[in-house]
Amino acid sequence: GQNIDQPTEMTATEGAIVQINCTYQTSGFNGLFWYQQHAGEAPTFLSYNVLDGLEEKGRFSSFLSRSKGYSYLLLKELQMKDSASYLCAVRDRDYQLIWGAGTKLIIKP
Amino acid sequence: GAVVSQHPSRVICKSGTSVKIECRSLDFQATTMFWYRQFPKQSLMLMATSNEGSKATYEQGVEKDKFLINHASLTLSTLTVTSAHPEDSSFYICSAGQGHTEAFFGQGTRLTVV
Repeated sequence: GQNIDQPTEMTATEGAIVQINCTYQTSGFNGLFWYQQHAGEAPTFLSYNVLDGLEEKGRFSSFLSRSKGYSYLLLKELQMKDSASYLCAVRDRDYQLIWGAGTKLIIKP
Repeated sequence: GAVVSQHPSRVICKSGTSVKIECRSLDFQATTMFWYRQFPKQSLMLMATSNEGSKATYEQGVEKDKFLINHASLTLSTLTVTSAHPEDSSFYICSAGQGHTEAFFGQGTRLTVV
């Protein structure tokens, strides 16, 4: 079966750095996505990785290792508004998105 | 980036009535759109894949006669929840992709059936 694993909840301090991990086992691989979802809102796109390595976008970076079936989302200089759920999704060989359950990130002052 | 607009954002309906949700791609043509449902504190669950000009592909366990999908043009897909019941209350989200790189989401529709 296909599976995406990420921690259920994480807590971090404002101004700090946090890394949210995602491991996957899917039928084929055509890219990995990270989305941010605030409560009651639709997800918003953060990053896309299809090749190994680190993609940096401002305070957010995403890393991918296809051989390990592993990705992480790195958030720097945390702000209170970063409190949200972070969803990892993998596009399989049929180009269907397989979703993780999301990681609820709680930022404390 | 590409924009997907979903309407309405919130709807309250009586049990037994039908509700239509629209999903539009505003600045690109979407041959395929996706409909998701999300219950509180849970991840997105794909309900169906909407294909322009042909029948939608439903995921296992999703009743196609209850959740009617119409994708009549390259910019519009609609989801109609027929004979809604309280257990259909959920957050419904559509998405559309542009090429194979990104998927863009509508704002979501909060459906409450009373």
